[in-house]
Amino acid sequence: AQKVTQAQTEISVVEKEDVTLDCVYETRDTTYYLFWYKQPPSGELVFLIRRNSFDEQNEISGRYSWNFQKSTSSFNFTITASQVVDSAVYFCALSEPTGGGADGLTFGKGTHLIIQP
Amino acid sequence: DAGVIQSPRHEVTEMGQEVTLRCKPISGHDYLFWYRQTMMRGLELLIYFNNNVPIDDSGMPEDRFSAKMPNASFSTLKIQPSEPRDSAVYFCASSSVLLYGYTFGSGTRLTVV
Repeated sequence: AQKVTQAQTEISVVEKEDVTLDCVYETRDTTYYLFWYKQPPSGELVFLIRRNSFDEQNEISGRYSWNFQKSTSSFNFTITASQVVDSAVYFCALSEPTGGGADGLTFGKGTHLIIQP
Repeated sequence: DAGVIQSPRHEVTEMGQEVTLRCKPISGHDYLFWYRQTMMRGLELLIYFNNNVPIDDSGMPEDRFSAKMPNASFSTLKIQPSEPRDSAVYFCASSSVLLYGYTFGSGTRLTVV
């Protein structure tokens, strides 16, 4: 069965520091998708990125970057020059499509990121 | 597109009452998912539909919970009778297998007193 582990329950940094959120996953499938979602204090779930298991290229989007390493089953998320608006709970999630169709997401427990001014 | 629309945003009800949560997925999406978020258990999948047909309801906690999708633009999650431990935020999400992303609604915060 699939599993997602976010070992960091809470991280607190001062604004402008870089911060990395860890995500380790378990799956027996060779085809899967990994996601990161942001949940700000307002409560909605905001999609950040999707990565499929065949694409190990790292991705950068502005101050955000993601490092996908199949060898260690990790999909870590780094925020460079953090800002107070980055304060939120961040979830890593895994999906294993079956028969060419979609499947539900398995979420990690989330990391509460606090950016102090 | 207005995104995934859930109603109500907040619901407070008394133990034993029936509660119905509603979801309108994004037009053209052929998958619909219901999730529940609690402090203890985090985000967990309850049930999902493909083309209005329930595919996996193994996450539904007990028989008090039921979900329907009578057409491609509407789904309900019903709890009858409700209990205080059902208090949580319930999210609906929709997806298209062609796009393979998940869009979440704003959630319904349910409080059972």
